[in-house]
Amino acid sequence: DAKTTQPPSMDCAEGRAANLPCNHSTISGNEYVYWYRQIHSQGPQYIIHGLKNNETNEMASLIITEDRKSSTLILPHATLRDTAVYYCIVRGTNTGNQFYFGTGTSLTVIP
Amino acid sequence: DAGITQSPRHKVTETGTPVTLRCHQTENHRYMYWYRQDPGHGLRLIHYSYGVKDTDKGEVSDGYSVSRSKTEDFLLTLESATSSQTSVYFCAISPGKTDTDTQYFGPGTRLTVL
Repeated sequence: DAKTTQPPSMDCAEGRAANLPCNHSTISGNEYVYWYRQIHSQGPQYIIHGLKNNETNEMASLIITEDRKSSTLILPHATLRDTAVYYCIVRGTNTGNQFYFGTGTSLTVIP
Repeated sequence: DAGITQSPRHKVTETGTPVTLRCHQTENHRYMYWYRQDPGHGLRLIHYSYGVKDTDKGEVSDGYSVSRSKTEDFLLTLESATSSQTSVYFCAISPGKTDTDTQYFGPGTRLTVL
């Protein structure tokens, strides 16, 4: 599975959009991009995933560049409850494959 | 939230004692996983199961064994606990029906080995 690079920390003002970047320059054609988050001491929570098209759900939007070498998770209106560590994961399509969680981006939403 | 529970939620034990952690699901998902989380390492896979009595090793399986005798239960055993196994342990499940299945995580068990 491809390796990902994320900034270690970011701040965002409450009510503003939070844009979390992820680089995955070695991604291969059948690998998906997943985003999870982990709020202090809780289990990781699934947010969204995509292959090459942009995706949106009730939690967030995922923008994947055309060459698929990077992506951005967008939380459109960040709240204090969005303060968490966000993990970008690239994973192949074998359903047995683990999710390789790196150290992620620690997002702090500021009042 | 996916129906996943872990027990116990907190445990303190001594070096050399056996420890068993339990993961229970009510989703009837095929795949179950055990991860550990340590500062600076993110989550690392210990073992996973792809069906009753079917298990395989992850990247940090040494010192751990697992068993799955029923679809809903996945047990992680530390035969002789060591201080290096002090960690937070997370169970995860996934349906195993499509190539893009996501994994859903339990609340975690905090284990301290003195």
